[in-house]
Amino acid sequence: DAKTTQPPSMDCAEGRAANLPCNHSTISGNEYVYWYRQIHSQGPQYIIHGLKNNETNEMASLIITEDRKSSTLILPHATLRDTAVYYCIVRVRGNTPLVFGKGTRLSVIA
Amino acid sequence: KAGVTQTPRYLIKTRGQQVTLSCSPISGHRSVSWYQQTPGQGLQFLFEYFSETQRNKGNFPGRFSGRQFSNSRSEMNVSTLELGDSALYLCASTLDLAGYEQYFGPGTRLTVT
Repeated sequence: DAKTTQPPSMDCAEGRAANLPCNHSTISGNEYVYWYRQIHSQGPQYIIHGLKNNETNEMASLIITEDRKSSTLILPHATLRDTAVYYCIVRVRGNTPLVFGKGTRLSVIA
Repeated sequence: KAGVTQTPRYLIKTRGQQVTLSCSPISGHRSVSWYQQTPGQGLQFLFEYFSETQRNKGNFPGRFSGRQFSNSRSEMNVSTLELGDSALYLCASTLDLAGYEQYFGPGTRLTVT
């Protein structure tokens, strides 16, 4: 079973920041937080990952709380192409499989 | 650099038949994982291969099998197809066992009639 809890759906206005929350209260010290997204009928796309520090790349920012029990993925300027299902996954680095939950369906609205 | 490729992209089979799906990882990547996605069960892990050895296996019946070749290309096979095997089958590659990211292919859409 997935170790994360995410809201089933969210809406965001185009051009605004999309903030997607994720709860992972049972995360272990050696588990990373990963975010993937899946645009309709395509393979999942890696977005970002982090252990305990906040992370930023060209796609998004990841904010992890100090106790590591929750995190937020931030898409700074959402576009219509960001409409997708976003998955938050906790996982030990290395050859452990990704365990996908139901994710959050983000709809970006013009 | 080319991404993960999967062939065929679409496939229609009849119950009882068997099917083989192919995955070519990103050049230089040595680990390949397979996932099944259905509307009811979501994305579920099938198995992972590294250096031609199965490293992890999900909770699927023995009808589902796979292998990896010396060039890291991988195939998965499903024997005695059932209607419930209709799904999107996704392949993902990782640089090595310590890799952070898994890069997914576009998937093979299998329909069993």
